[in-house]
Amino acid sequence: AQTVTQSQPEMSVQEAETVTLSCTYDTSESDYYLFWYKQPPSRQMILVIRQEAYKQQNATENRFSVNFQKAAKSFSLKISDSQLGDAAMYFCAYPRTGNQFYFGTGTSLTVIP
Amino acid sequence: GAVVSQHPSWVICKSGTSVKIECRSLDFQATTMFWYRQFPKQSLMLMATSNEGSKATYEQGVEKDKFLINHASLTLSTLTVTSAHPEDSSFYICSASPGGMGNTGELFFGEGSRLTVL
Repeated sequence: AQTVTQSQPEMSVQEAETVTLSCTYDTSESDYYLFWYKQPPSRQMILVIRQEAYKQQNATENRFSVNFQKAAKSFSLKISDSQLGDAAMYFCAYPRTGNQFYFGTGTSLTVIP
Repeated sequence: GAVVSQHPSWVICKSGTSVKIECRSLDFQATTMFWYRQFPKQSLMLMATSNEGSKATYEQGVEKDKFLINHASLTLSTLTVTSAHPEDSSFYICSASPGGMGNTGELFFGEGSRLTVL
């Protein structure tokens, strides 16, 4: 079975500092995508960043970057220069079939002014 | 990016009544849409896959007679909660991708619909 695990239910970070959110997954596939989604208080899910497994280079989107360790099946999200607007639930996601996603249990991020 | 819209955002109904939630893809055609349910401070649980022109595929443990899904067009899927009970109260989220089932690109989400059953 393919599963996604987020071991940090809650995290906090000081504004302007850096925080890393952890995610591990289980799959027997060799080529796949991984995603981090953000769910702010407004509740609409927003894509943060996407990683393609066949690419060795870690994905980066402005202040957001990932540390993708394929052999370890680890996919952590690093947020640099944290801003108040980064406060949200963050979900790691893996598409099991097409666009049927497995979601992790989420990490609630608090940004301290 | 692509836009998925849900309506209503909030709905309150009496126990025993039925409630319909709409999910629309505004700028792309979606042969497949997905319905999720989310309890407070919990993850999204896939309820069913809505297929245009055919029956929905339900996840194990989801009652198909309680959660009726209709995907009558390439831009609209509806979820009807029939004979609602207080335990059906939850946040329901739909999603879709312009690439359909064969594409593992980005999944776009609706705003979600908060259902409260009294």
